[in-house]
Amino acid sequence: NAGVTQTPKFQVLKTGQSMTLQCAQDMNHEYMSWYRQDPGMGLRLIHYSVGAGITDQGEVPNGYNVSRSTTEDFPLRLLSAAPSQTSVYFCASSAKLTGEAFFGQGTRLTVV
Amino acid sequence: KQEVTQIPAALSVPEGENLVLNCSFTDSAIYNLQWFRQDPGKGLTSLLLIQSSQREQTSGRLNASLDKSSGRSTLYIAASQPGDSATYLCAVTGGSSKIIFGSGTRLSIRP
Repeated sequence: NAGVTQTPKFQVLKTGQSMTLQCAQDMNHEYMSWYRQDPGMGLRLIHYSVGAGITDQGEVPNGYNVSRSTTEDFPLRLLSAAPSQTSVYFCASSAKLTGEAFFGQGTRLTVV
Repeated sequence: KQEVTQIPAALSVPEGENLVLNCSFTDSAIYNLQWFRQDPGKGLTSLLLIQSSQREQTSGRLNASLDKSSGRSTLYIAASQPGDSATYLCAVTGGSSKIIFGSGTRLSIRP
């Protein structure tokens, strides 16, 4: 039972490079979301999706792009990496509005 | 805009004590509240989920309460152990399925 799978686990990027963080869930959950976690700041919502083809912005969307072409996948794209995007990124999914949220193990991203 | 606050930011207690972690939220129109545990460098582990219609949930030595009208939740840990040392996060699910987190309480249990 895989749950929520994030890849890669670690990544180092140079300023200006682009990349995609992958997130996949096998629980047929409608809701998926991306967070970043910085020291002392908890988790901040970047983008979220309530179903295939529907996405919306969270608290800190600038510099990130998402799409949701299937129920299972919700990739996060960094368009032009900046040192301020150095963080740990978590993907989450939940079954419906009142459902329990499940998290992936995180991607530690460093931008140099 | 929903804001979630956790107090205290850090807490250190001797082993065996009972303790309470606090979470408050500004918008009472929530669908559920969830408590998570996070160990250093690790992901989030769900501890308890309280639906908006519920007042509390229990799991082993953990008990979480929810008072929507006052915008508060507490996580009670009984007979604390060194293995309980971690950061505890609360998160509320509101309109449009947004899940908003508090900044966490870093708990240290002294042997």
